[in-house]
Amino acid sequence: SQKIEQNSEALNIQEGKTATLTCNYTNYSPAYLQWYRQDPGRGPVFLLLIRENEKEKRKERLKVTFDTTLKQSLFHITASQPADSATYLCAYAGNNRKLIWGLGTSLAVNP
Amino acid sequence: ETGVTQTPRHLVMGMTNKKSLKCEQHLGHNAMYWYKQSAKKPLELMFVYSLEERVENNSVPSRFSPECPNSSHLFLHLHTLQPEDSALYLCASSQGVRWRVNPSYEQYFGPGTRLTVT
Repeated sequence: SQKIEQNSEALNIQEGKTATLTCNYTNYSPAYLQWYRQDPGRGPVFLLLIRENEKEKRKERLKVTFDTTLKQSLFHITASQPADSATYLCAYAGNNRKLIWGLGTSLAVNP
Repeated sequence: ETGVTQTPRHLVMGMTNKKSLKCEQHLGHNAMYWYKQSAKKPLELMFVYSLEERVENNSVPSRFSPECPNSSHLFLHLHTLQPEDSALYLCASSQGVRWRVNPSYEQYFGPGTRLTVT
């Protein structure tokens, strides 16, 4: 079955460092991959979408890469701030066009 | 604010009650979704509506009944729920095409309704 895996352990980093989150997918080659941020008790907020023919996408301090050979997407937050602390979800479009979601990785940026 | 509102934000109901969750989007989108989010589980898609027609029903028990009277409003009617139905229920919207949802479009989520079934 189509599956998506994210780092299950929480990521703790120091303010100012770069946070790198991983999303691995199996049993399918998605055309799109999306990243969302979710704060406790709130709905996910869309951050970035990357297509299979794009190696990299940037938005301010955020960068997403998509490696179809490794079946992996990396999400980077540069110059991280405590306000970046949240859970980050990745999702891809499966072969039935539905979004398949990961469990999310919790990021804590310490001042 | 994402342009998607949900009410109520919190709901406690007994197993014999009937209640409804409401979602409204102000983004001009034509696809709307209900998701269930439980602890330690990924988001579970429940229903999808595109142009007010249901295009997805992911084997959801009949005690959950969706309604989409127009492209801006979505309801989830609840009756005789079980304690395991306790979760965060999220509504989302996106652009879409009749009969299918285009996964290249991002989804905009509401704040969710935290449902507790006692």
